[in-house]
Amino acid sequence: EVQLVESGGGLVQPGGSLRLSCGASGFTFNSYSMNWVRQAPGKGLEWVSYISSTSSPINYADSVKGRFTISRDNAKNSLYLQMNSLRDEDTAVYYCARERSTSSTHDYWGQGTLVTVSS
Amino acid sequence: KFMLTQPHSVSESPGKTVTISCTRSSGTIASSYVQWYQQRPGSAPTTVIYEDNQRPSGVPDRFSGSIDSSSNSASLTISGLKTEDEADYYCQSYDSSSHERVFGGGTKLTVL
Repeated sequence: EVQLVESGGGLVQPGGSLRLSCGASGFTFNSYSMNWVRQAPGKGLEWVSYISSTSSPINYADSVKGRFTISRDNAKNSLYLQMNSLRDEDTAVYYCARERSTSSTHDYWGQGTLVTVSS
Repeated sequence: KFMLTQPHSVSESPGKTVTISCTRSSGTIASSYVQWYQQRPGSAPTTVIYEDNQRPSGVPDRFSGSIDSSSNSASLTISGLKTEDEADYYCQSYDSSSHERVFGGGTKLTVL
């Protein structure tokens, strides 16, 4: 069974940093690209970042470019999102999602971790 | 870059059929696959349609997807509506110029 479990969310002050993790199991992690997608309270889904199975290429949404860094450790079956210079508008539930090899389909999602940016 | 535009909300009665549209603002809808995700309150999204019209295992055949080049849009059709279909639905595609994954704004489906 495919499982994705996010962790690392919490309350952080504006300008602060946080590192999210996503642990994967039930599939061959190093064969799949991965994404981070976020959802602000009461709002829709917003794609944040993509990383291929080999860590290149990597892509970011304009809203987080230069502040967030996606990475992965295939030996640990783990995906990460380093978030720096956090803003109020980064407050959201952050989901990790596996991507199908044949398209940009996010075929499996984690349960999400809440990041709250507030003073 | 393009946007995907969905109606904010739709409603229909149990047993009826509803169609949710997803219109691409620029470029052709057929140039990248379209996916549809269902999100029930308090839960993570799940895939109900991928690659325009493919159904993952476990998704009932009441769910179907299509694209229409004349209107540059994709559609999700749910037939034989059940109260459990009440959820938010999001379309998603890929922008090959920016390499971004693009989500529509979401449609709240009410089954009443």
